[in-house]
Amino acid sequence: NAGVTQTPKFRILKIGQSMTLQCTQDMNHNYMYWYRQDPGMGLKLIYYSVGAGITDKGEVPNGYNVSRSTTEDFPLRLELAAPSQTSVYFCASSPPGNTIYFGEGSWLTVV
Amino acid sequence: RKEVEQDPGPFNVPEGATVAFNCTYSNSASQSFFWYRQDCRKEPKLLMSVYSSGNEDGRFTAQLNRASQYISLLIRDSKLSDSATYLCVVNNFGNEKLTFGTGTRLTIIP
Repeated sequence: NAGVTQTPKFRILKIGQSMTLQCTQDMNHNYMYWYRQDPGMGLKLIYYSVGAGITDKGEVPNGYNVSRSTTEDFPLRLELAAPSQTSVYFCASSPPGNTIYFGEGSWLTVV
Repeated sequence: RKEVEQDPGPFNVPEGATVAFNCTYSNSASQSFFWYRQDCRKEPKLLMSVYSSGNEDGRFTAQLNRASQYISLLIRDSKLSDSATYLCVVNNFGNEKLTFGTGTRLTIIP
């Protein structure tokens, strides 16, 4: 059972580089989310989407962009990577107001 | 005041003991509540939903107190495998941004 799949699992970026974290889900969920989790800290919402073509900012959107062209995919784009973006990134999906399912996480280090 | 607050712990509890922790939320309009478990370097996984009437799943009991705006998690007969961080999650209907607490770290000691 695939669920929510994120790639890559690990990545090292240099300051100023850009990259895209891929996320896809096969549960036909309308809602998808991107969270980041810094060491010893809670999850913070970056962006979320309630359906294809609709995205909205979360708590910490600066430095990121998203798109939602299909129900399945919700990529997260980092432009001009900064050391402050070193974190673990979790993609998630859910039916409305219900249990949220996470991908396994993407560990990103910016040096 | 934070939207969702948890005691970060750590709670160090001997195997077989009962442990409980609370989570408070600030938005009285919050509709859905969950407990998630997160193991070290892993993604959070749903432990249980929290219903108004309270609910039990084996050794785990979750309760909701709307008047005081908190939810609780009780673990009975704790096992070594219960060692993890427990995240409180609150959802405000109509605003599909789940809010996570920072987690309570639990370590079960042999």
